[in-house]
Amino acid sequence: GENVEQHPSTLSVQEGDSAVIKCTYSDSASNYFPWYKQELGKRPQLIIDIRSNVGEKKDQRIAVTLNKTAKHFSLHITETQPEDSAVYFCAALPDYKLSFGAGTTVTVRA
Amino acid sequence: SAVISQKPSRDICQRGTSLTIQCQVDSQVTMMFWYRQQPGQSLTLIATANQGSEATYESGFVIDKFPISRPNLTFSTLTVSNMSPEDSSIYLCSVDEGSRYGYTFGSGTRLTVV
Repeated sequence: GENVEQHPSTLSVQEGDSAVIKCTYSDSASNYFPWYKQELGKRPQLIIDIRSNVGEKKDQRIAVTLNKTAKHFSLHITETQPEDSAVYFCAALPDYKLSFGAGTTVTVRA
Repeated sequence: SAVISQKPSRDICQRGTSLTIQCQVDSQVTMMFWYRQQPGQSLTLIATANQGSEATYESGFVIDKFPISRPNLTFSTLTVSNMSPEDSSIYLCSVDEGSRYGYTFGSGTRLTVV
């Protein structure tokens, strides 16, 4: 099955700085890569996703890049704000089941 | 995107008992998924539920422990049977909304077994 590795496990950034989270996947059949944000006590929320026919996608302060050859994809958050503090999960979809990374706890320091 | 409601939102149960969690979607969906999220951990897929067929369980999860029903295209239940403290987790249902909204999660059920 698909194996998704996510780094770092924790990330502390100063407000206004950028945050980068990286994920690798193992199954070359994976063609869909979503990112979820989970605030404490809440459900995971899809914040951005990318499909295998696209190398980069941007939505305001967040962007995702995908390198299919190297089997890795990254989440970039620019101009971080306190409300960006949360746990972020990457995932990959080789068939119809999402496989999740272990998560990254992002803390934005004021 | 779809509105996914789960009941109960939380419960505290005695070991050895069973709890049934309901997941209701406001639109028809082909596949529904049940996940477990242990404290501080990632999401682990328990099973995929399709209408009219047996659920497909992932490695490490069995039907006797986690029976699932899928009577129609908008509803599913997950039962956690013969509970032990190790079953204390958040249980989430999820649906595939296709290319526009991706995979959406329900509000979750926080289960504590004492």
